[in-house]
Amino acid sequence: NAGVTQTPKFRILKIGQSMTLQCAQDMNHNYMYWYRQDPGMGLKLIYYSVGAGITDKGEVPNGYNVSRSTTEYFPLRLELAAPSQTSVYFCASSLSEGNQPQHFGDGTRLSIL
Amino acid sequence: DAKTTQPPSMDCAEGRAANLPCNHSTISGNEYVYWYRQIHSQGPQYIIHGLKNNETNEMASLIITEDRKSSTLILPHATLRDTAVYYCIVRVLPNFGNEKLTFGTGTRLTIIP
Repeated sequence: NAGVTQTPKFRILKIGQSMTLQCAQDMNHNYMYWYRQDPGMGLKLIYYSVGAGITDKGEVPNGYNVSRSTTEYFPLRLELAAPSQTSVYFCASSLSEGNQPQHFGDGTRLSIL
Repeated sequence: DAKTTQPPSMDCAEGRAANLPCNHSTISGNEYVYWYRQIHSQGPQYIIHGLKNNETNEMASLIITEDRKSSTLILPHATLRDTAVYYCIVRVLPNFGNEKLTFGTGTRLTIIP
């Protein structure tokens, strides 16, 4: 049981480049989330999805886009990388019923130079 | 979601019980208290959650005061592997899927050999 899998684990981008952070879960969870964590800070929600075809903005969505074509995958897209997007990105998923906890991946460390 | 207040850091001797406090004085009746931890920049790991009754699982116990304005996470026999940042999070019940978690800066718990 892999849980939540994120790729790549590390990446360095140049300013203005684009990339997609991949997230996959094999727990058949309806809900999926993207967070970012800056050094010494807590996590901030970027985007979330309550099911295939349904996404919504979180606290810090600017500069990012998401899509959710299937239950399993929830990729995060950076179109024009900026130094302010240097961070660790975490994907999470949860069941939709009641008060179920979120399960997190191990993160992607992204540096924009 | 209600705001939480946690001490920035704590130490605990190995083998002793670690008691991590959290204040959430503005909590409302439909908000749960969740605890997560993050070990060395890995993805956050769910520990336990509760509404108003004390809860226990294989990892920890959660004690919530009768007025629900504060809670304590108890790790009964702390080991070196429990060194981590612990986050106390208050979260409303699902509202059409809006299950976002609001992370603060947490408590950095260091287990001393």
